[in-house]
Amino acid sequence: SQTIHQWPATLVQPVGSPLSLECTVEGTSNPNLYWYRQAAGRGLQLLFYSVGIGQISSEVPQNLSASRPQDRQFILSSKKLLLSDSGFYLCAWSHGGPGETQYFGPGTRLLVL
Amino acid sequence: AQTVTQSQPEMSVQEAETVTLSCTYDTSENNYYLFWYKQPPSRQMILVIRQEAYKQQNATENRFSVNFQKAAKSFSLKISDSQLGDTAMYFCAFTQIIQGAQKLVFGQGTRLTINP
Repeated sequence: SQTIHQWPATLVQPVGSPLSLECTVEGTSNPNLYWYRQAAGRGLQLLFYSVGIGQISSEVPQNLSASRPQDRQFILSSKKLLLSDSGFYLCAWSHGGPGETQYFGPGTRLLVL
Repeated sequence: AQTVTQSQPEMSVQEAETVTLSCTYDTSENNYYLFWYKQPPSRQMILVIRQEAYKQQNATENRFSVNFQKAAKSFSLKISDSQLGDTAMYFCAFTQIIQGAQKLVFGQGTRLTINP
């Protein structure tokens, strides 16, 4: 069966510091990968998605970037965090193809002070 | 713009009752997929039910069922015999196909509380 991991679970960082959040998927190959952000009490907003190694598409211009160095690894980064980067970050994966269900990781709670 | 609207920010029912959560969406696509996800206090997003827009038959998963009205762009979720463990945020979403991947467009959610 497939499993998706995210770490860290919680992170408190000062403004201006760098960020690296990691997501890995087990039990499948060549998944589509996604990064979402959820503000408090709100729905999810898609930030980045990837259909293959080294292929990254951005949905929203922002202070963040993503990379996919391996087939089942997806990394969310920032060089300098802003207060507005605080939120709950969720990674998801799906098989390729239309209508495939996205399965979510446990999420990372980021607080920028 | 492709949007999802959940008009009920909060709902509360007694255990064992039936509850219906509303969802409407706006899309120009003809073929798409609809989902309900549950987010309990742990904040992990859990799939509840999935519906293909080209299928007229409403999807069901045990105590969960949907009422899909394609012409009205409505996709409500019915929870029968509600249980305390159903307490969670519920999000309605549909897929938008983008360059070989799928973007999930989410509503703002409905906070459902099941009271003992």
